[in-house]
Amino acid sequence: QKEVEQNSGPLSVPEGAIASLNCTYSDRGSQSFFWYRQYSGKSPELIMFIYSNGDKEDGRFTAQLNKASQYVSLLIRDSQPSDSATYLCAALPSSARQLTFGSGTQLTVLP
Amino acid sequence: NAGVTQTPKFQVLKTGQSMTLQCAQDMNHNSMYWYRQDPGMGLRLIYYSASEGTTDKGEVPNGYNVSRLNKREFSLRLESAAPSQTSVYFCASSPTGSNQPQHFGDGTRLSIL
Repeated sequence: QKEVEQNSGPLSVPEGAIASLNCTYSDRGSQSFFWYRQYSGKSPELIMFIYSNGDKEDGRFTAQLNKASQYVSLLIRDSQPSDSATYLCAALPSSARQLTFGSGTQLTVLP
Repeated sequence: NAGVTQTPKFQVLKTGQSMTLQCAQDMNHNSMYWYRQDPGMGLRLIYYSASEGTTDKGEVPNGYNVSRLNKREFSLRLESAAPSQTSVYFCASSPTGSNQPQHFGDGTRLSIL
C-alpha cells in the first residue's frame, strides 16, 4: 500500500463548479500535509499546507484534514480553466523524516 | 527573486557518461532536496540535506551522489548514467525540516540513450 494515495483522474468539472480533490494516507501519525499544483511541463507550486484537523481557507482554495479518517482534501471553488493542472498531495509520515508524495490527480476545468 | 535555480534545463547523455546537476537557492533555507519525477510515479526523493554539512539518502538513492557545497548549493551527480535514470529532476528547498513547505526549481529534463 502506498503511503499517500490519490485518484489519478482525470477529473473534469465545468467552469464555475467546485472541484474536490482527495488524498488518503496510511500512516496515522502523519503530521504535516501539503497540496501542490503542477502545470504540464512545469515544476510543483505550493498551494496550501495544513497541520491541524479541520478546514483552512485561502481565497478560492480550502484544505480539509480529517486525521481520524486519514484523509486530506482540497476544494477549489469557482473553478477556472486556469486551474487545469495536476494536483499533488504530500504528507510527512511519523515513520519518516521526509515528505511522501502521491502520484497526483489531473484536473481539467471545462469552459 | 530567483528562488531555486537549476542548471542545466535539458540534457541528453549516453549510457555510461557522467554529469552533475546543479542547484542553488537564494532564500537562506537550511534544507535542500533532490527528487525525480517519472510518469505516473509522482515525486520520489533521491537525497536530501537537512542542513549545511549533512546529506542523507531518500527513497531512490542508487546510482546517485550528492554534495552540499555550502548553504546555497546542492548538487546531484550521476557517475555512470543508465537509461533507467531518464527522468525529470527537481531540486527543492525549505527553511528547516520537511514539516515546512518546500519550494521547487524549474527542473532538469534528462534523457539517457
